[in-house]
Amino acid sequence: QKEVEQDPGPLSVPEGAIVSLNCTYSNSAFQYFMWYRQYSRKGPELLMYTYSSGNKEDGRFTAQVDKSSKYISLFIRDSQPSDSATYLCAMSPNTGFQKLVFGTGTRLLVSP
Amino acid sequence: DTGVSQNPRHKITKRGQNVTFRCDPISEHNRLYWYRQTLGQGPEFLTYFQNEAQLEKSRLLSDRFSAERPKGSFSTLEIQRTEQGDSAMYLCASSLRGKGYEQYFGPGTRLTVT
Repeated sequence: QKEVEQDPGPLSVPEGAIVSLNCTYSNSAFQYFMWYRQYSRKGPELLMYTYSSGNKEDGRFTAQVDKSSKYISLFIRDSQPSDSATYLCAMSPNTGFQKLVFGTGTRLLVSP
Repeated sequence: DTGVSQNPRHKITKRGQNVTFRCDPISEHNRLYWYRQTLGQGPEFLTYFQNEAQLEKSRLLSDRFSAERPKGSFSTLEIQRTEQGDSAMYLCASSLRGKGYEQYFGPGTRLTVT
């Protein structure tokens, strides 16, 4: 079993929809939770990070962490065609050099 | 600051050849990481540097792989005697010490071994 599980999709939604992307994990040592966006044949782009449990909002993006359930989510409001990309969750512990452990990524397609 | 840069962006080589990739991190970042990403998968950690010291290596990094960061600035990743299984995107990231959760990635080098 992988440490981080993520549905590969693709997830297809119409423009303007609210998108929910999720990851589950098994390692209770993870304390930092990140979301990256990756366009085709490009490097991952850091969207936001959250420490421990709770919510964090940045513009149209909201990240949620539920450590009791080992479940994290990224919500995208008013989705745009330019949001079409692969979204990767990543996690790291609070100790050591904080190696990032990634999910497989969910491919999102937003149609006009 | 232009972010993390990597060269070349794409490398095609024949099996058995050696290849070398270069990464230039964000200038004030003292930590530098290498990851490998295959199609349909998330990046997997290979190794990382704190300044010029290589402090951690993954089991994925076989003895055909070597990485250096000679002056604590740019880094190189060399693969000797390439195999078809080495075909992947090689990603470099950098961060400030103590902020390893905030890693910024370069555009990657796509390696194709024929």
